[in-house]
Order: sequence, then C-alpha cells, then structure tokens
Amino acid sequence: DAGITQSPRYKITETGRQVTLMCHQTWSHSYMFWYRQDLGHGLRLIYYSAAADITDKGEVPDGYVVSRSKTENFPLTLESATRSQTSVYFCASSVGPARYNEQFFGPGTRLTVL
Amino acid sequence: DQQVKQNSPSLSVQEGRISILNCDYTNSMFDYFLWYKKYPAEGPTFLISISSIKDKNEDGRFTVFLNKSAKHLSLHIVPSQPGDSAVYFCAADGSGNTGKLIFGQGTTLQVKP
Repeated sequence: DAGITQSPRYKITETGRQVTLMCHQTWSHSYMFWYRQDLGHGLRLIYYSAAADITDKGEVPDGYVVSRSKTENFPLTLESATRSQTSVYFCASSVGPARYNEQFFGPGTRLTVL
Repeated sequence: DQQVKQNSPSLSVQEGRISILNCDYTNSMFDYFLWYKKYPAEGPTFLISISSIKDKNEDGRFTVFLNKSAKHLSLHIVPSQPGDSAVYFCAADGSGNTGKLIFGQGTTLQVKP
C-alpha cells in the first residue's frame, strides 16, 4: 500500500525488554521522523533522519536507538523499555526539511510498558 | 521548558460560529509556524502554515495570524463545522534546514451541531 505505515499498531511489553517499532514509507521521502505523544506535552521529536545512514537527535532521544539503512524504513528501538516510555509513537516523513515541506504522519503505535 | 505553548486544552464552539485557537512561543528564533490537525486513532495532518515575513495566511475556512512582537499566533476557523472537531497542534520551526519542529501541547476543539 502506498503511504506511510507503522507496525505494530499496539504493543504491550514489560520493563527491561527490547522493543522495535517499525516505520515504512513508499514515497522515497528523504526525511523521516519519530515523535512521541503524551498528555500535556503534545508531540515531541525523538530522532530524525535526513537521508539513509544520516540520523540526529531530537528533543527526547534518551533510551531510544534508530537506524536507517534504507530510505523507506526507519525503525525505532527501545533497548530496555521503561514505564516512562509508555506513549503513542508517530513516524512521519517529508520530501525535505519541515520548512515548506509537509510532514506526513503514520497512524501511530500505542506502546504500553508494564 | 515548553517553547511552544497552547494554554487552552479544550474549546467548545457552536456549528457555524468562529473557532479561535491560540498558540504562544518563547523563542524569537522561530520563523516558520504550522498547524496540524489530529483525529482520534490517526496521525496528525498538515493544515496551514505561515512564515514570519507574513502576518496572515488564509486557506479556505482557515486563517492563521501571526503577531511576532507578542510571539503569538492564532488559528481561526470560520464557519466551524462538526467535522472540524479534532485536536489541533501548533508547531514552530526555527532550526533552518534540519527539519525539526517543536509542537505545542494541543487544543481539543469540539464543534457542536
């Protein structure tokens, strides 16, 4: 299917486990982003990537790891999940930088860490 | 420290009336602003944007106003429709070409029929 997809849509895990959230886009967009949405905080940028093999930190990168070996995929890994990482995670992509380039968001992954 | 603030968590408006959503920012380096709209169980979608060289931008029923001296922007929806009921996020870009956006906390708009 065309567009931007995230998997899984829902995930329950336990503290200390490793979790990987997947993001796939079919537009060949250069830029990809990971955000988390929490009540009272809105959307906060975790990591972003300007191209394959180029990644950089956002506002809240601690506890997360990203990689981007292919343009279309941008997985987000929680190496040792904590309860504070319970959140809704959104992946987004854009042709270029946020300025003048719309970011297209995936449907989100709701992650619960017990 | 929240650099982009939406101080009203929710807003309720009657269908056909005007909805005004407000957003304040603290960083004077921000020079491009966007509004996104989010329905439940979906990702946000882009609505409208404005550059700091302008003080107003219109797109159909949606108008964004920017007051740089007050570091304030607002989104006006006229007339409001029930389908406009959603969470609205304002966002700012002051990072040049890095693609980083700073989002506010969001305002939930309810438009009553």
